[in-house]
This record gives sequence, C-alpha cells and structure tokens, in this order.
Amino acid sequence: GNSVTQMEGPVTLSEEAFLTINCTYTATGYPSLFWYVQYPGEGLQLLLKATKADDKGSNKGFEATYRKETTSFHLEKGSVQVSDSAVYFCALMGLTGGGNKLTFGTGTQLKVEL
Amino acid sequence: NAGVTQTPKFRVLKTGQSMTLLCAQDMNHEYMYWYRQDPGMGLRLIHYSVGEGTTAKGEVPDGYNVSRLKKQNFLLGLESAAPSQTSVYFCASSPPREGLYNEQFFGPGTRLTVL
Repeated sequence: GNSVTQMEGPVTLSEEAFLTINCTYTATGYPSLFWYVQYPGEGLQLLLKATKADDKGSNKGFEATYRKETTSFHLEKGSVQVSDSAVYFCALMGLTGGGNKLTFGTGTQLKVEL
Repeated sequence: NAGVTQTPKFRVLKTGQSMTLLCAQDMNHEYMYWYRQDPGMGLRLIHYSVGEGTTAKGEVPDGYNVSRLKKQNFLLGLESAAPSQTSVYFCASSPPREGLYNEQFFGPGTRLTVL
C-alpha cells in the first residue's frame, strides 16, 4: 500500500535559517505529492504540490521537487520566519482507487525563534 | 463563501454516549472525507464519500458511521464513544479528479474528548 515517511520533529530554527524537512514515499505508479501546513488551532492548508517526476512545487518561499529516483519530496525554504511556525505534512494521492484519497505522513512541527 | 465548516468545535463525552459531528461545505464539491488526527500518527482517513447518498470505508472506520444525505453535508456518528476515540476530527472536501490531482479543502476541526 501507499505510505509516507517524514523526518521527526520538532525542528527548532532561528529566524532566517535554512529549512529542510525530509519526506519519502512508497506508492504504486506515479502518485501526486503534496505539502500541507497546519497553523496552531487551524485545519490543514495546501502549501504546494507536484504531479509528475522533476516537477517543482513552490509557494510562499517554500519549494519541493518530485524526485522519482529517490522517491522523495523534501520541503525547503531559504530563510524561515517566526510566522512559519506550524506543523507540516507530506502527503500523496495515488492514481489507483477512487475518491482522491490522501495518505499523510506523521507531520513535522517547526518552531522558529527570534 | 465559508468553505468547509464543522460543528461543534469542542465536545466532551462520557464512555458509551453517542454524538454526531456535522460537516458542511458550500463549494459544491462531490467528494467529502472524515479524518482523525492523533499525536505522532498524522491524519488517518475514517470514511469518505464520492457523492450524495454514497459512503465508503477508509483506513480506520471501526466505531464510526457516516451519512451523506445532502451533497453539502457529511455527518460522522459515534454510537457508543470510547476513550480511544479521543482525537481531533477533520472534515475535508474536494471536487472530483480531473487530471492527476485535486486539492482537498479542510475544515477547522473538532476536538473530542471521551472520558
């Protein structure tokens, strides 16, 4: 079956530091890949997505590249801000089965300090 | 345009009590989902629906029932609550797949505690 593995948190960084959150996946075929973000007390919001190998998703300074050869979709940002403090979820949507079902990783909490 | 809304936001139940969580969306989406979020486990799919009058089991359906009588509403029921059902519940909706992906839109969540 499908699965997503994320690096464990929490990750604590100083403002303006470089961020990497690792994500690898197991799936049949070529799934679509997503990063969702959850700010404190809120639901999940889509941060970025990629639908095929070598695609780069980007939004709000965050980037992730769909790497088929390493089955990875690592999230990066060059300079984090305090407002980026949140929980980040990597997810995949398989191409088999109905219902656009998402498989989520366990989430990585990011805390950015001044 | 409110997006996805959930009622209630918080609830405390005693073991054995029943309750229904309501999810409503105003985006005319065909697909709706119920997830639970537990520490260290991410989000797990409970049940989902691909259209009015249809439901299907997800990854962790035991102890829950759902109904989709109207396109805009998706109800999650707990007939006899157990402490293991203490969790944060999220509803989501999405349009049907038209291509390789479709975004799911999430509600704000319901925090349920079962004593």
